[in-house]
Amino acid sequence: DGGITQSPKYLFRKEGQNVTLSCEQNLNHDAMYWYRQDPGQGLRLIYYSQIVNDFQKGDIAEGYSVSREKKESFPLTVTSAQKNPTAFYLCASSIARGIETQYFGPGTRLLVL
Amino acid sequence: GESVGLHLPTLSVQEGDNSIINCAYSNSASDYFIWYKQESGKGPQFIIDIRSNMDKRQGQRVTVLLNKTVKHLSLQIAATQPGDSAVYFCAENNEDSGYALNFGKGTSLLVTP
Repeated sequence: DGGITQSPKYLFRKEGQNVTLSCEQNLNHDAMYWYRQDPGQGLRLIYYSQIVNDFQKGDIAEGYSVSREKKESFPLTVTSAQKNPTAFYLCASSIARGIETQYFGPGTRLLVL
Repeated sequence: GESVGLHLPTLSVQEGDNSIINCAYSNSASDYFIWYKQESGKGPQFIIDIRSNMDKRQGQRVTVLLNKTVKHLSLQIAATQPGDSAVYFCAENNEDSGYALNFGKGTSLLVTP
């Protein structure tokens, strides 16, 4: 089965805790993205990566960090500096960065205890 | 900044009728447009796309129309079915934004029997 997987489906974060959201793709796509979605809103770009070992900040990168050590993996860490982390987090990938279709994973819902 | 927006937040149609979901964009440099369908608690699912050198594209039961003169995009769904009930997002990207996808806030489509 080809596609994008995200885990866990639900994640709970305690005050002051860092948590990491997983995103894996077996589509052989070069580019990967992280978006945040708040209720009744569109998606906002957190970080993107065009190639292994390279990534760029999106519109709302503060309080988040990423790594891209492998082509198929792009984990997102929500740090304690992110004061309003409750949201639906979506990972996407595309063949390359540019005017290409982005395909999305099933999402991770992050809740604060 | 530039924005992508939708004319109506909700749309209710009867099963079997045709649906039209509209989207306005403001950046004349937008090169590529995508429609996504998002069901509750799931990631966005690609429906159809269109590039700026086209004004119409058809898929299975769906048609996207692009009017660059008035910066307007529409998604037409023929013979709407209950399974079409979801939130529909338009998104655009362009070289000016670094090819980031810019999303509208979405239109909720409700199909009634």
